[in-house]
Amino acid sequence: SQTIHQWPATLVQPVGSPLSLECTVEGTSNPNLYWYRQAAGRGLQLLFYSIGIGQISSEVPQNLSASRPQDRQFILSSKKLLLSDSGFYLCAIVRGSKNTEAFFGQGTRLTVV
Amino acid sequence: GENVEQHPSTLSVQEGDSAVIKCTYSDSASNYFPWYKQELGKRPQLIIDIRSNVGEKKDQRIAVTLNKTAKHFSLHITETQPEDSAVYFCAASRARNQFYFGTGTSLTVIP
Repeated sequence: SQTIHQWPATLVQPVGSPLSLECTVEGTSNPNLYWYRQAAGRGLQLLFYSIGIGQISSEVPQNLSASRPQDRQFILSSKKLLLSDSGFYLCAIVRGSKNTEAFFGQGTRLTVV
Repeated sequence: GENVEQHPSTLSVQEGDSAVIKCTYSDSASNYFPWYKQELGKRPQLIIDIRSNVGEKKDQRIAVTLNKTAKHFSLHITETQPEDSAVYFCAASRARNQFYFGTGTSLTVIP
């Protein structure tokens, strides 16, 4: 079965510092990978998705970027964090016999101070 | 892109009563509508889903309805229990590659 590893679980970073969140997937090959952010009152916002190595689509223009250096590795980055980047970041894949279930990792809670 | 709206943002019900959460979507090409439950501090998990060729689906105390003409769908929880307390998200998808979520409903079941 597929598993998603996200780390770290929690992170406190000062404004202006860089960010790197990593997501790795096991139990599947060539998955579609997604980064979501959950901020207060805004639900689950799709940030980036990737259908293959080096292929990244951005849903919302922002201070963040994503990369997929390997088939099952998805990285979310920022050069300079803003206060508004605080939130709960979730990596996800699509799984199921019909590829219809969005399956989430445990998430990283980022607080920018 | 797709725009999914969800109401209410918060909902409190007495244990045993029913809870209804409603969502609307904008993209008529969306054909898959899952619902997720997120307990405090945990990841969202799929609880039920419905496809565009079905008007209603039920799984024990949970049911979903879909009105494609009006572009809205709803989650119904009957005989609510304290363990139903969580944040619920609706979502819409058309390409199986992208899921667009509503803003969530925080449900509290009062014992």
